[in-house]
Amino acid sequence: GQNIDQPTEMTATEGAIVQINCTYQTSGFNGLFWYQQHAGEAPTFLSYNVLDGLEEKGRFSSFLSRSKGYSYLLLKELQMKDSASYLCAVRDDQAGTALIFGKGTTLSVSS
Amino acid sequence: DVKVTQSSRYLVKRTGEKVFLECVQDMDHENMFWYRQDPGLGLRLIYFSYDVKMKEKGDIPEGYSVSREKKERFSLILESASTNQTSMYLCASSEQGYGYTFGSGTRLTVV
Repeated sequence: GQNIDQPTEMTATEGAIVQINCTYQTSGFNGLFWYQQHAGEAPTFLSYNVLDGLEEKGRFSSFLSRSKGYSYLLLKELQMKDSASYLCAVRDDQAGTALIFGKGTTLSVSS
Repeated sequence: DVKVTQSSRYLVKRTGEKVFLECVQDMDHENMFWYRQDPGLGLRLIYFSYDVKMKEKGDIPEGYSVSREKKERFSLILESASTNQTSMYLCASSEQGYGYTFGSGTRLTVV
């Protein structure tokens, strides 16, 4: 079976750094994705990890440890517009190319 | 950029009606997916398709069917709408091995 866990809510202030964790259990891991979703909008792609290590893309970075079934999304220099839900998703070979999503973490950034 | 278009942004239907949700993508992607998104439950996979006339059940297919007669179009059908199918429906497409591009979603209310 598949199980993906991430915190339900997080809060942070402008300019700060926040780390959103995701743990997963899957039968046949084949990549981990992070998506951002603003209220009322569709999810948009942020990052993809298939090998262990850190992927950096501007203010956003994503880390993967396959042996620990663990990933995190790191957001630096937070801005008000970063207030959104962040979705962790795993591609599991047992489910073909379909992504299995966690329930999402709602991040609120305050001034 | 890949465009995934869902025909309706908002729909209101009556209990027992047959409902069609349409999704069209313009990049010749092989894979297409239907999810529903509910507060506290995240995105849950309903059906997906690898190719024309092919379909696979996701985690929650009950009460739904799909049709893929052409590569670019993937339709979700609610055979007899019920109030517990009130939800946000998201369509996505992907090329083999890559992440998703989502449509903007259809918010369906069944009364």
